[in-house]
Order: sequence, then structure tokens, then C-alpha cells
Amino acid sequence: EAGVAQSPRYKIIEKRQSVAFWCNPISGHATLYWYQQILGQGPKLLIQFQNNGVVDDSQLPKDRFSAERLKGVDSTLKIQPAKLEDSAVYLCASSPLTGFWEQYFGPGTRLTVT
Amino acid sequence: RKEVEQDPGPFNVPEGATVAFNCTYSNSASQSFFWYRQDCRKEPKLLMSVYSSGNEDGRFTAQLNRASQYISLLIRDSKLSDSATYLCVVKLNAGGTSYGKLTFGQGTILTVHP
Repeated sequence: EAGVAQSPRYKIIEKRQSVAFWCNPISGHATLYWYQQILGQGPKLLIQFQNNGVVDDSQLPKDRFSAERLKGVDSTLKIQPAKLEDSAVYLCASSPLTGFWEQYFGPGTRLTVT
Repeated sequence: RKEVEQDPGPFNVPEGATVAFNCTYSNSASQSFFWYRQDCRKEPKLLMSVYSSGNEDGRFTAQLNRASQYISLLIRDSKLSDSATYLCVVKLNAGGTSYGKLTFGQGTILTVHP
């Protein structure tokens, strides 16, 4: 079974530029999550989708971050404009529908903002 | 106070040693508990769930004390391959649903040396 796919794997941008990350969850998984993991910290949930609806985006900095999950499958996370403190690994995870709690993580996108 | 707190370590132990990690959580309404493992520059993967009665998986034993809001992980007979960051994870279900938000601790770094 294919795992969660993410691209790009690495991205270097200058502050105030824009960047977008893509995630393709495990086939059939209805729930998709985006996490931010800053070096030395645990992952922090940014946004959770159930199919193509948002379940939780309470920790998403909405002034600069946006995310969408069209057709309830792939998802994109965008940062515009980027700040130095956005340097982190952005992890996408997915899990099957309601009641099954294990989350399967993708390899992440390592973002460096200079 | 952080929602999930762990001793960041690092723990440096010889092969064959027994090592224990502790974790505390602040929200008494938390309902599910897990340990995830994260290898260097890799994504987190579920190691084991933590049940109130305590549970064991080979050399790994997890314990939960709801009254003290405390979780532990014990690794016996450490192997070189156990070297990783161990993330304590707490799930809080959203009011009557099984949708839940995972909150990660910052992780405890373990290095097992020959």
C-alpha cells in the first residue's frame, strides 16, 4: 500500500515570498492533517480536514497560511508571505474515517526561509 | 503550561540498558494516549497506544495514570536501533465525536551506544 506522498521534499525561499506544499493521502483515507514541526519540537497541528471539510484550523495562522482539499483527496498548504519563523518541516498525515485514530505521516517538506 | 510535557533528554544509554521516559498532560478530558517514534529526519510513526491497565509490546511497556495525568514508556534491553526521538501524544476528542486532535510533546531523544 502506497504511503502518504508529499512534494516538494525541500524548499528554500526568501522571506516575503510565497510557497505551496502538496499532499496526497493514503487511498481511501478521509481525514487529512497538516502539521508544522519546528526543530527540537513535536509536530503542531495546523489544520484537519474530514473529506473536503475543515474540522479544526484553530492553530492555522490565517493571515498568511491557507489550505484546501479539493474533492476530498489531495491537499495543498500555502504560505504567503513567508516569515523567517516559518522555517520548519511541514508534515501531512492521513487516517481512515471516523473512529480509527492512527495517523500515517508523509516524509514532510523541509522549508527554509532566508 | 504546555499541554503535553516531556523531558527532552537526551538520554544516552548502553546497549542492554533499561530506560524510562515520562510525560505529563494538562487536559484531564484527554481520552487517548500514544507513543510515537521519530527517527532522525524522518516522519513520526506510531509505536504503541497507552491503556489505563498498562500494556506491553515486546521490550516496550506503556503505562497511564489518569489521576496524575502521567504517561510513561519503558524500554528494556535497549538496542542500537532504538535510538530515536520518542513523542508522547495525547488525543482530545471533539465533543461526542470521534474526531480528535492529537497534541504532541516535544519529544525525548534516546541514543543507545555500543
